[in-house]
Amino acid sequence: DVKVTQSSRYLVKRTGEKVFLECVQDMDHENMFWYRQDPGLGLRLIYFSYDVKMKEKGDIPEGYSVSREKKERFSLILESASTNQTSMYLCASSLWSAGANVLTFGAGSRLTVL
Amino acid sequence: AQTVTQSQPEMSVQEAETVTLSCTYDTSENNYYLFWYKQPPSRQMILVIRQEAYKQQNATENRFSVNFQKAAKSFSLKISDSQLGDTAMYFCALNNNNDMRFGAGTRLTVKP
Repeated sequence: DVKVTQSSRYLVKRTGEKVFLECVQDMDHENMFWYRQDPGLGLRLIYFSYDVKMKEKGDIPEGYSVSREKKERFSLILESASTNQTSMYLCASSLWSAGANVLTFGAGSRLTVL
Repeated sequence: AQTVTQSQPEMSVQEAETVTLSCTYDTSENNYYLFWYKQPPSRQMILVIRQEAYKQQNATENRFSVNFQKAAKSFSLKISDSQLGDTAMYFCALNNNNDMRFGAGTRLTVKP
């Protein structure tokens, strides 16, 4: 019954490496999001997309880029990973339900950058 | 800018008892939505309950209910008859159009 799938639960990368985090949803949702979750800071929005090939910066886009070539897939890219990007990354998709933006989350990808 | 504040980093409750998690927010909008999400250990975040700001009646979902005080910009979550499976991080969130803001979270532990 998994609806939002993140390709990797745990990753360990080295400083300077290029990192791809993949997210796929099977609910035909228009909107997709990438959040970063850190203790004491909650969830912070990195990027979101409301349509194929469309993207909008969130609150902390620096050091990240995204790609949405197909409706069901939203990728987060770290061009050159740094230690301060060690974090839990959450992908979500959303359906507008009676005017509310109701998010469905993936299980998360915990990234460690050494 | 919209903000959400959860002032209780950690809480605990005995099984079968009632616990209330606090959330305050700030927004200049009149129409918005409020949510509580639950993130169990090593599991996906799921929606617990939601409240439309234009509705005065507090939302209820089984053992979960909210106390929505619009003037005070307060949105607390009450969990009745707490169960071990309620152990999780709980996040309060404020949504206006595509702007979704989350609080820092409250880690709730239900003790047997």
